[in-house]
Amino acid sequence: AQTVTQSQPEMSVQEAETVTLSCTYDTSESDYYLFWYKQPPSRQMILVIRQEAYKQQNATENRFSVNFQKAAKSFSLKISDSQLGDAAMYFCAYRQGAQKLVFGQGTRLTINP
Amino acid sequence: KAGVTQTPRYLIKTRGQQVTLSCSPISGHRSVSWYQQTPGQGLQFLFEYFSETQRNKGNFPGRFSGRQFSNSRSEMNVSTLELGDSALYLCASSSGQGIYEQYFGPGTRLTVT
Repeated sequence: AQTVTQSQPEMSVQEAETVTLSCTYDTSESDYYLFWYKQPPSRQMILVIRQEAYKQQNATENRFSVNFQKAAKSFSLKISDSQLGDAAMYFCAYRQGAQKLVFGQGTRLTINP
Repeated sequence: KAGVTQTPRYLIKTRGQQVTLSCSPISGHRSVSWYQQTPGQGLQFLFEYFSETQRNKGNFPGRFSGRQFSNSRSEMNVSTLELGDSALYLCASSSGQGIYEQYFGPGTRLTVT
C-alpha cells in the first residue's frame, strides 16, 4: 500500500524568510500525482500545489514551489517570503489514478513576526 | 463556480443515535470523497463515490455508509453513534478523471456526547 510520510510534525520560520517542508512517499507505480494541502485554523483544506509524476519540471505557484525527486520519492514544499497567513497545518498527499488520496500526518507551520 | 458545501456545519448527537451529513460538490464534479479528521488519528479516508457508485472504500465499520445521488450530491450516514465518532468530517469533490485533484468543503464538526 502506498504511504506518505512527513517527518516534521512542527516547524517555525520568521516572517519573510523561506521554509521547506519535507515529504516522502512509497510507491511502486510510475504514474501518479502529488499534492500539498494547507489547513489553516478555520479547518478549510486548501489545495496549494500539485505535481504530475510524469513531469520533470517542478511545479510553482507564486511563493510556493516544490522539489520533486522521483527516484528518491521525495516531494518537498518550499514557501518563500513567508507571511503570517501561511501559518497552518500542511499535508502532503499522493494519488495514483482513480485510487484513494493518501495523506501524510501533517506538518504544523508557525510564522513568527 | 461555487465551492463545495457541507451541511450542517456543526452537530451534537447522543451516543446510540444516528446522523446524516450532506455534501454538495462543485458544479460538474462527479466524484465525492469523505474523510474523518481527529487529533489522534489524523485524516482518514472513509469512501469515495463516482457517478453514484462507490469507487473506493476505507477501513471503517459498517456503521459508516454513504450514497451519491444523480446530481452528484452525497450523503454520509453514521448509525449507532459512539463517543469516538466525534470528529471533523470533510467532504471533497473532484472531476473524477484526469488529475483527480480534490477540493474540500468546510467540514461538519460532529460531537457525540
